[in-house]
Formats: sequence, C-alpha cells, structure tokens
Amino acid sequence: KQEVTQIPAALSVPEGENLVLNCSFTDSAIYNLQWFRQDPGKGLTSLLLIQSSQREQTSGRLNASLDKSSGRSTLYIAASQPGDSATYLCAVKGSGNTPLVFGKGTRLSVIA
Amino acid sequence: ETGVTQTPRHLVMGMTNKKSLKCEQHLGHNAMYWYKQSAKKPLELMFVYNFKEQTENNSVPSRFSPECPNSSHLFLHLHTLQPEDSALYLCASSQWTGLDTQYFGPGTRLTVL
Repeated sequence: KQEVTQIPAALSVPEGENLVLNCSFTDSAIYNLQWFRQDPGKGLTSLLLIQSSQREQTSGRLNASLDKSSGRSTLYIAASQPGDSATYLCAVKGSGNTPLVFGKGTRLSVIA
Repeated sequence: ETGVTQTPRHLVMGMTNKKSLKCEQHLGHNAMYWYKQSAKKPLELMFVYNFKEQTENNSVPSRFSPECPNSSHLFLHLHTLQPEDSALYLCASSQWTGLDTQYFGPGTRLTVL
C-alpha cells in the first residue's frame, strides 16, 4: 500500500529565502506525482505535475524534482514571499485507476 | 477560480439531521470525486464517479450516500452522522478517471454536534 510522507510538517522562513519541501513515497511504481497548494479553509490548487519519466518541472519560482527510484520528490521555492504562505501537499498516482495518495502536507509561513 | 463549485461552504448539523452537500463542475469533465480531509490526516478518497457510474467506494460508512445525476453534478447525502465525521469535504473532477489532473472545489467545512 502506497504511503506518502512530507517533511517537515511545518516551516517558517523570512521573506526572500529559498526553501525546499520534501516528499517521500514507499512504492516507486508511480505514474505521476503532483504538488498542490491549499490555503486555509480552501480547496487544492495544482502547482506542478511530474510524469514518472520526467526528472523535474518548473513554473515561475517553483521547481519540482522527482527521483522515482529512491521514492523522493522536492519542491523548491525561490525568493519566498508572504503570499506563498499555505499548506503544500504532495500526491502520487499509481497506474490504472488507482487513487491519488496524499501526504499530510507541509504548512509554510513566510514572514515579512 | 477552479471551475468546481461546492455548496454550502460551511454546515453545522446535529447527529439526527439529514443534509446534502452539492458539487458542480463547469469544465466538461467526465469523472467526479468526493474526498474527506480531517485535521492532521491526509486527504482520503471517499467515492469516484465516471460517466455518472460509481466506480469506487473506499469503504465509506453507509451514513454517507453519494448521488451523481449527471457528469456535472455530484451530491453527498448525510444522515445520522457522528462528531468524528466533522471535516472538510472536497469535491474534485477530471477529464477521465485514472491518469488525469484533478481540479478541486473549495470544500464544505462540516461540523457535527
């Protein structure tokens, strides 16, 4: 059974810092991996999706990497801003109709 | 704006009440999902519908009853809930089940007294 772990559970950084969020998964037979953002009391917004054949994806100040063989992904946020404060969720998708399996998330606070 | 709307946004109900959550997607998708998000736990998939047919019930208690009258609408009927059912209930949709990106609604925050 796939399990997804995100470390740290919470992170507080000053504005302008570069930071890395970590995600690990137990079954490396995945189809893709997604990073989502969730603001308090709100739904999820998809940030980046990495297919199993890819190593990384970039969108603006965000860069996500995937090392499928070691069961790890990182989300790199450059030059963090207070508006980046949110919970970041990692989710992996197996093949076929297997459901998305989510981690518990990392709650990020960027202090001005 | 995600194209997936949910109503109500907040709901407080007693254990003997009957209420329904509604989800509507404006994206032309064929698959819809209900998830439960409890404090300090990962998102849990509850139900999956593909072309109005339920394709997955993830061992959800019968006090939760889904209904999908068409590909754009999904309901979650609630009755005789327990306080531990208090959570954020999220709806999502995707073009197909399986491998497509899912788009999430804002959720309904449910409190069971």
